[in-house]
Amino acid sequence: KQEVTQIPAALSVPEGENLVLNCSFTDSAIYNLQWFRQDPGKGLTSLLLIQSSQREQTSGRLNASLDKSSGRSTLYIAASQPGDSATYLCAAYNFNKFYFGSGTKLNVKP
Amino acid sequence: DTGVSQDPRHKITKRGQNVTFRCDPISEHNRLYWYRQTLGQGPEFLTYFQNEAQLEKSRLLSDRFSAERPKGSFSTLEIQRTEQGDSAMYLCASSLHQMKIGGSRSEAFFGQGTRLTVV
Repeated sequence: KQEVTQIPAALSVPEGENLVLNCSFTDSAIYNLQWFRQDPGKGLTSLLLIQSSQREQTSGRLNASLDKSSGRSTLYIAASQPGDSATYLCAAYNFNKFYFGSGTKLNVKP
Repeated sequence: DTGVSQDPRHKITKRGQNVTFRCDPISEHNRLYWYRQTLGQGPEFLTYFQNEAQLEKSRLLSDRFSAERPKGSFSTLEIQRTEQGDSAMYLCASSLHQMKIGGSRSEAFFGQGTRLTVV
């Protein structure tokens, strides 16, 4: 069974900092790795998807990398803003389902 | 297409009552998933459909839970004889599952969820 872990569970940074969120998974036979953002009481918004054959994906200030062999993915956020405050979740897709970590709760202070 | 829609957004019910949630996926998506999320945790898989066929159910899905996807379009999730432990956010997602040379691709798009509170 796939297990996904996210570290840290919470992170507080001042505005403007660059930061890295970590995601690890136990079974490297994934099809893709997807990063989501979740605001309090809301659903999940897809940020980036990395297919198993890819090493990284970029969208604006976000960059996600994937190292299947080590079972790790990172989400890099450049020049953080207060509007980035949310919970960030990663999901590994294999065995026909998405396996989620518990998320990293990010607070960006003005 | 406006994305995945879920209805209702919030539901408060008394213990022992039955509740039903609806999910309308993105129209061209062939897979539909139901997940449950409790406070501070990531979503947990409940079940998924490929078109109209329910292909897998989690052990979390007790016999009080039933899901359908008639005609491979919208889906409903019913909980019978609700218990306080059923209080959670119920999330629906859809994806276009594609088998390609070198691997599959499946990107999930989630709805806003239905927050269930059992009192």
